[in-house]
Amino acid sequence: DTAVSQTPKYLVTQMGNDKSIKCEQNLGHDTMYWYKQDSKKFLKIMFSYNNKELIINETVPNRFSPKSPDKAHLNLHINSLELGDSAVYFCASSQGTRTNYGYTFGSGTRLTVV
Amino acid sequence: KNEVEQSPQNLTAQEGEFITINCSYSVGISALHWLQQHPGGGIVSLFMLSSGKKKHGRLIATINIQEKHSSLHITASHPRDSAVYICAAKRGLKEGYGGSQGNLIFGKGTKLSVKP
Repeated sequence: DTAVSQTPKYLVTQMGNDKSIKCEQNLGHDTMYWYKQDSKKFLKIMFSYNNKELIINETVPNRFSPKSPDKAHLNLHINSLELGDSAVYFCASSQGTRTNYGYTFGSGTRLTVV
Repeated sequence: KNEVEQSPQNLTAQEGEFITINCSYSVGISALHWLQQHPGGGIVSLFMLSSGKKKHGRLIATINIQEKHSSLHITASHPRDSAVYICAAKRGLKEGYGGSQGNLIFGKGTKLSVKP
């Protein structure tokens, strides 16, 4: 019974395609995140939602659009995929943002754009 | 320069050795996280601390707020400890800007390999 589950685990697609990555958490957490881990294994925040409301939107191309239908789900849609989008994308959740809650990470989605 | 710096970048140890991984940060923080990423790719949260010291099994994490420095220690290291250890600083509310308050800023990780 996975706490934060991401699908798919692997995604290989051609340049120019549109794809989505889904994330669901069953922890009852209020806040969800998308992180990108590049080829050098460096993690960086992309987006954060708190109770379905966008609270963090780092300098990410607007080809990336997060969608949170409810607080248990945060999906990431990517339009017009580029080679540089190849990375591992991690979803995470926490109970909140303004107190020192821990984070629970999904297992990652390895996106390869060819 | 990254706001969160880790050292060393790579570390090879013999089984049983005592290991220390260091993390320095330059931003105001509300908490400091230590994460472990296994070769399979999954990320596990090990510690979250805002002061003092925490211990879990053979792992010990310390933080010195005044010096903006944290260390992760592994006692009696074992090959199964081989992983990438990542330090992440959670921005303090006063240091945050716009929607990035409470954001996690990651170090580049320390790749640990423990040989039998």
